[in-house]
Amino acid sequence: AQSVTQLGSHVSVSEGALVLLRCNYSSSVPPYLFWYVQYPNQGLQLLLKYTTGATLVKGINGFEAEFKKSETSFHLTKPSAHMSDAAEYFCAVMRGGDSSYKLIFGSGTRLLVRP
Amino acid sequence: ETGVTQSPTHLIKTRGQQVTLRCSSQSGHNTVSWYQQALGQGPQFIFQYYREEENGRGNFPPRFSGLQFPNYSSELNVNALELDDSALYLCASSLGRNGELFFGEGSRLTVL
Repeated sequence: AQSVTQLGSHVSVSEGALVLLRCNYSSSVPPYLFWYVQYPNQGLQLLLKYTTGATLVKGINGFEAEFKKSETSFHLTKPSAHMSDAAEYFCAVMRGGDSSYKLIFGSGTRLLVRP
Repeated sequence: ETGVTQSPTHLIKTRGQQVTLRCSSQSGHNTVSWYQQALGQGPQFIFQYYREEENGRGNFPPRFSGLQFPNYSSELNVNALELDDSALYLCASSLGRNGELFFGEGSRLTVL
């Protein structure tokens, strides 16, 4: 069975500081991995995804994530936080080759950005 | 291009009642998935509809049911509401069963 663990329900950074949100997954087969962002009272927006190929994935809004199979991790980073990055971030996994696009989400990390 | 729209945005029900939530998929998308997001948790997959047929279901009881219409819009029905059904219900559409999901803003259900 697949699962996703996000370390830290809340992460607080200063504006301009590095953002690091942690995600570890468990999967018996190579996974497809995703990061979504949710702003207050809104749905989920795809930030980036890893399916195959290059393990460093670049997404929208300056975010990127690196797939590390040996560590079963897919941490999300951004070099310099902006106030507008404050939101809830969800890591998700879908097993490759699945017949339907069912995502298994982590419990989320709320990013707070201090001025 | 019209995105995914859901209605109603908020609603309050009492235990034992029934509720219907509606979702209009993004133009050109033929697949709709529903997720339940309880407060402080990540979304959980309820089921997916592809070309009007259920294509996969999560760990939800039969009182959660759905429909997809010929225009690919969809409904989520929940019978015999329980307090734990209080959540944000998210609809996502995609082009094909494995297509990228585009989420609506959700319907927030409160069960008293």
